[in-house]
Amino acid sequence: QQQVKQSPQSLIVQKGGISIINCAYENTAFDYFPWYQQFPGKGPALLIAIRPDVSEKKEGRFTISFNKSAKQFSLHIMDSQPGDSATYFCAASRRTGGETSGSRLTFGEGTQLTVNP
Amino acid sequence: EAGVAQSPRYKIIEKRQSVAFWCNPISGHATLYWYQQILGQGPKLLIQFQNNGVVDDSQLPKDRFSAERLKGVDSTLKIQPAKLEDSAVYLCASRGYGELFFGEGSRLTVL
Repeated sequence: QQQVKQSPQSLIVQKGGISIINCAYENTAFDYFPWYQQFPGKGPALLIAIRPDVSEKKEGRFTISFNKSAKQFSLHIMDSQPGDSATYFCAASRRTGGETSGSRLTFGEGTQLTVNP
Repeated sequence: EAGVAQSPRYKIIEKRQSVAFWCNPISGHATLYWYQQILGQGPKLLIQFQNNGVVDDSQLPKDRFSAERLKGVDSTLKIQPAKLEDSAVYLCASRGYGELFFGEGSRLTVL
């Protein structure tokens, strides 16, 4: 059962443009929503994360928008740069027992972003 | 601070052979994870350790996969016998009290 659905599968934008990647989840128990960036041959690295008590979080050029009622969240990359070209994964997890966020992450299928110069 | 170390980085084996992957987490990180990432897909959790105890192995194909974390530090993931569909990158990750850190992965090709 795919619990986190991500779209689009691939995305091409021009330098300076806005990249938008969307995710939808099913499990209402999820309470932590991170985005990971993965370059070829490397492991995923945390980019930005949000909890459902806020609707938006911004860090530099990266913004997460969160819609709890729709069970959707999205990543916006402003002023996209060629160095942003990578695969982006959304993920979700829920607290289990005494563990804090970051455990039992369920990942989306990934979006391959290409930023043309 | 050293990151999560994994070896080997690449392995090619014939089906029905066995393979083992090793992971050394970030020093002090109590929680260790093994993920399987098939080409074009997101990582899928195989097993989670808290110190040297298993927290979650519900998605580990136990008929062929095994993992251990002796002394609560290093971990090994073994596949025996391997199948064609096991071709993937095996990612190790560790966590202290916050962010999850991934290693660069071990790429397995089963022929």
